[in-house]
Amino acid sequence: DAKTTQPTSMDCAEGRAANLPCNHSTISGNEYVYWYRQIHSQGPQYIIHGLKNNETNEMASLIITEDRKSSTLILPHATLRDTAVYYCIVRVFHDYKLSFGAGTTVTVRA
Amino acid sequence: GAVVSQHPSRVICKSGTSVKIECRSLDFQATTMFWYRQFPKKSLMLMATSNEGSKATYEQGVEKDKFLINHASLTLSTLTVTSAHPEDSSFYICSAREGTGALETQYFGPGTRLLVL
Repeated sequence: DAKTTQPTSMDCAEGRAANLPCNHSTISGNEYVYWYRQIHSQGPQYIIHGLKNNETNEMASLIITEDRKSSTLILPHATLRDTAVYYCIVRVFHDYKLSFGAGTTVTVRA
Repeated sequence: GAVVSQHPSRVICKSGTSVKIECRSLDFQATTMFWYRQFPKKSLMLMATSNEGSKATYEQGVEKDKFLINHASLTLSTLTVTSAHPEDSSFYICSAREGTGALETQYFGPGTRLLVL
């Protein structure tokens, strides 16, 4: 699977949009980009995933560049409860496994 | 999203005993479930893939005789840590695969914290 690179940590202001970048420069055509988050001492929570088109749901938006080498997860209005470790994962279409990296520790501050 | 539960949420046991952890998909059927382990301040590590009605597939370095996995129904997978030792103390998390093709997603349980004394 293609590897991903994320910043180790980032701070966000409550009420503002949080933009979380992810690089996946070796992604191939049949690999999806998934985003999960893990709040302290809980299991990971699914956020969103996409192949090449931008996606939006009730939690977030996923913007994938045209060359698919990077993506950005956007939390439109960050709240204190969005403080978590966010994982960007690339998954091959036919392989069900998810490989978790270190993720980005996001801290939302009042 | 789909809901996955785990039981128990935390367990303390003596060294040498066995512990069983249950993972259930509550509102969907899951032919495939996964078991992960997470040590403090570390990321999740996949231990094994559990397929309903067949043997589990273990990741390299995971002892299949120590971590017994049973996936007897489409909504239940169990992980039994046999002859547990203090180094097995960890956060065990399961996930279940839901949907197919482009809609396929894994949903995770809340985790089970195991402490072996």
